[in-house]
Amino acid sequence: GAVVSQHPSRVICKSGTSVKIECRSLDFQATTMFWYRQFPKQSLMLMATSNEGSKATYEQGVEKDKFLINHASLTLSTLTVTSAHPEDSSFYICSARPGVNSPLHFGNGTRLTVT
Amino acid sequence: AQSVTQPDIHITVSEGASLELRCNYSYGATPYLFWYVQSPGQGLQLLLKYFSGDTLVQGIKGFEAEFKRSQSSFNLRKPSVHWSDAAEYFCAVGAMRSTSGTYKYIFGTGTRLKVLA
Repeated sequence: GAVVSQHPSRVICKSGTSVKIECRSLDFQATTMFWYRQFPKQSLMLMATSNEGSKATYEQGVEKDKFLINHASLTLSTLTVTSAHPEDSSFYICSARPGVNSPLHFGNGTRLTVT
Repeated sequence: AQSVTQPDIHITVSEGASLELRCNYSYGATPYLFWYVQSPGQGLQLLLKYFSGDTLVQGIKGFEAEFKRSQSSFNLRKPSVHWSDAAEYFCAVGAMRSTSGTYKYIFGTGTRLKVLA
């Protein structure tokens, strides 16, 4: 149980375009989902907390206008990288948990390459 | 400030040998503690967790970890490593945000395990 699905697994886009990444909780409802970014051979950096039906909470230093988060339902959160630039190239991972006291379960990540 | 330290960036062991990955944390209250494993290009898989109770916790794939409050540690162990265990291992602590009462996960920098045949 507690499966998190993330799509797409890989995406290549041109500089200046926008890319949408989907995160779904398949067998549980998640009022909160979390978006992380991982640089090569580094740890995970929390970007934002996605809240169903309300605005996302962004971590310090994360541009909310560049990384748009929508959490329209209890099983789906999306991250849109707007006007992408090569420095946005990274590995993005979403996570969710069935309950407040449950551990996080992660999607398989999305490798974004901006050319 | 809350933090998680994994002192070993790389560890190499022979297949069949025992393994211990170190994790130290800094957190004012009793933490929620986790170990995750990440294969290349993949997301993270939960190995085990500690919330409360027995300080020795068993996880999947034959892993276990022991919470030692006095040492602020949560080291991961496995008695006999298999080649398929080669991956990146992350320790994490669930720290409560004072402003919202919700938990934020703080990850260590990871330990890359290499297994020799």
